[in-house]
Amino acid sequence: EPEVTQTPSHQVTQMGQEVILRCVPISNHLYFYWYRQILGQKVEFLVSFYNNEISEKSEIFDDQFSVERPDGSNFTLKIRSTKLEDSTMYFCASSEYGQGQGETQYFGPGTRLLVL
Amino acid sequence: LAKTTQPISMDSYEGQEVNITCSHNNIATNDYITWYQQFPSQGPRFIIQGYKTKVTNEVASLFIPADRKSSTLSLPRVSLSDTAVYYCLVSGNTGKLIFGQGTTLQVKP
Repeated sequence: EPEVTQTPSHQVTQMGQEVILRCVPISNHLYFYWYRQILGQKVEFLVSFYNNEISEKSEIFDDQFSVERPDGSNFTLKIRSTKLEDSTMYFCASSEYGQGQGETQYFGPGTRLLVL
Repeated sequence: LAKTTQPISMDSYEGQEVNITCSHNNIATNDYITWYQQFPSQGPRFIIQGYKTKVTNEVASLFIPADRKSSTLSLPRVSLSDTAVYYCLVSGNTGKLIFGQGTTLQVKP
């Protein structure tokens, strides 16, 4: 069964450093998403991406964040200058169809980011 | 986006059928109802999706009444490994999924 993969599974960084979280969506999917989940709390939407453009982003997704599809397979989330509060689990998701079509999003296993 | 309401927690025993009901009174015409399962420190896992009536797959059944203002996820004969958080989501016009707190299901031996 195809699945979304994410690397690394864990990332430790120093405050102020840049990090790039990587995702490989399911191969025939065209819509990509990032979510985050603080331990014990809800899964929160960050950004959606389609056709090399951001479709929608949340208030959390400020100028420190950026997303990119650098090649035909990877989808990345970059945090330019990490803060302590960025320490959380980040999930990538992908879907074959987009909004309004009952799309099913498939999630990766997550990257746990720890900012020291 | 339609808001969903579901019980915060439920307990069950192995072998029992579990039904988790979700309310979504403001569901829109083009909204679908999707249920996800999440284990600790793992990504949400798609369980089932429906628009109306009943949907069944190898894992669960989803019952949606005619007015679509609620839905019920049915898990037949649960086992200890079904202990997880279950999320009911309603989505349609936007690609983003809005997760609530979900229902924490505890299956006991």
